[in-house]
Amino acid sequence: AQKITQTQPGMFVQEKEAVTLDCTYDTSDPSYGLFWYKQPSSGEMIFLIYQGSYDQQNATEGRYSLNFQKARKSANLVISASQLGDSAMYFCAMRELHGSSNTGKLIFGQGTTLQVKP
Amino acid sequence: DTGVSQDPRHKITKRGQNVTFRCDPISEHNRLYWYRQTLGQGPEFLTYFQNEAQLEKSRLLSDRFSAERPKGSFSTLEIQRTEQGDSAMYLCASSLTSGRDEQFFGPGTRLTVL
Repeated sequence: AQKITQTQPGMFVQEKEAVTLDCTYDTSDPSYGLFWYKQPSSGEMIFLIYQGSYDQQNATEGRYSLNFQKARKSANLVISASQLGDSAMYFCAMRELHGSSNTGKLIFGQGTTLQVKP
Repeated sequence: DTGVSQDPRHKITKRGQNVTFRCDPISEHNRLYWYRQTLGQGPEFLTYFQNEAQLEKSRLLSDRFSAERPKGSFSTLEIQRTEQGDSAMYLCASSLTSGRDEQFFGPGTRLTVL
């Protein structure tokens, strides 16, 4: 069964420093997509970055990069040069691309709360 | 493009009452999802529409829950005979079936059942 595990309930980082948020996943499907979303206190889920299982290079989107290690089934999010506005809940999610139903539904982890200190 | 919208943003109701939530997806998106998120947890999938067809329902969706997407545009989620355990944030997302099929989320409806 699909599963996403985020083992860090909370993280602190100093402003302007880099931080890594951990995510491991489990799936038997060879084709899948991995997503990271940010959820500020306002509640809206904001898409950050996507990695496909067949992508050869790690995804990058501005200050966000995804450290994808397929053999270890990990997809850690790296935020460089942290800003106060990065304080939020971060969710890792997975979608199987060729599952039995192929609905595109996302399976989310428990989330990591990130606090950026000035 | 106005993004995904949801109405109402907050709903407080008494146990046993019925409630209905509305989601308006991004206009050209053919896929629409409903998720439920309780405090401190990640969102959990409830149901999925491709155009007007409801193609999957989670076992989390008891028979008190019903969702519709008439004409493949907006969607409604109704909860009958609400229970305190239904208190949660209800999130709607939409996507276009192409490429990475990225889901765009609405602001959510926070339901409190007293």
